[in-house]
Amino acid sequence: QSVLTQPPSASGTPGQRVTISCSGSSSNIGSNYVYWSQQLPGTAPKLLIYKNNQRPSGVPDRFSGSKSGTSASLAISGLRSEDEAHYYCATWDDSLRGVVFGGGTKLTVL
Amino acid sequence: QLQLQESGPGLVKPSETLSLTCTVSGGSISGSSYYWAWIRQAPGKGLEWIGSIYYSGDTYYNPSLKSRVTISVDTSKNQFSLKLNSVTAADTAVYYCARHFGYGSGQFDPWGQGTLVTVSS
Repeated sequence: QSVLTQPPSASGTPGQRVTISCSGSSSNIGSNYVYWSQQLPGTAPKLLIYKNNQRPSGVPDRFSGSKSGTSASLAISGLRSEDEAHYYCATWDDSLRGVVFGGGTKLTVL
Repeated sequence: QLQLQESGPGLVKPSETLSLTCTVSGGSISGSSYYWAWIRQAPGKGLEWIGSIYYSGDTYYNPSLKSRVTISVDTSKNQFSLKLNSVTAADTAVYYCARHFGYGSGQFDPWGQGTLVTVSS
């Protein structure tokens, strides 16, 4: 059971906008930045969003992140087939004194 | 461009010690404000942070694994290593190394390609 809660799956059609949620508590999301990674099939995870809503160089602006209270969201607009992947949220947990991940969300592009 | 590469045995017997090394190229482990981390992913499962180390040797570990984990660094070789003792089948996973943006951060970038370690007799 992961400390951060994500829906196991999400789906959308090409061009659509989808959001993936990540729920935590006051000791993790509520007091620290949230990070999102994308894991394409058979590959290592890649940083997608850092510090709640910042995109690393090279990440399309179709990807955006937000945080409110003890929850965060990743939004993908203009959905493309190559966005089909697993998405993971992560943050620091002050109580555990370590990094915690969400269980991951498998995004399917229909 | 910073790159990380994991290496080590792909098969470990139950109760023995899993040992992996991560070689960093395109940048130096020492003299920066970054930590260096190990993360694992059991087959079909999510990500689990194992622990992180600073070039000075300062470490912090996942409390659930702390009693079995040792992470060390060799700045002369630009490498850091993972030892996990008393392994069981539950430790079968792809093990990744990554640059970690420090205590209090959940940012890992870049990641190595990962190496599969199977625990089996």
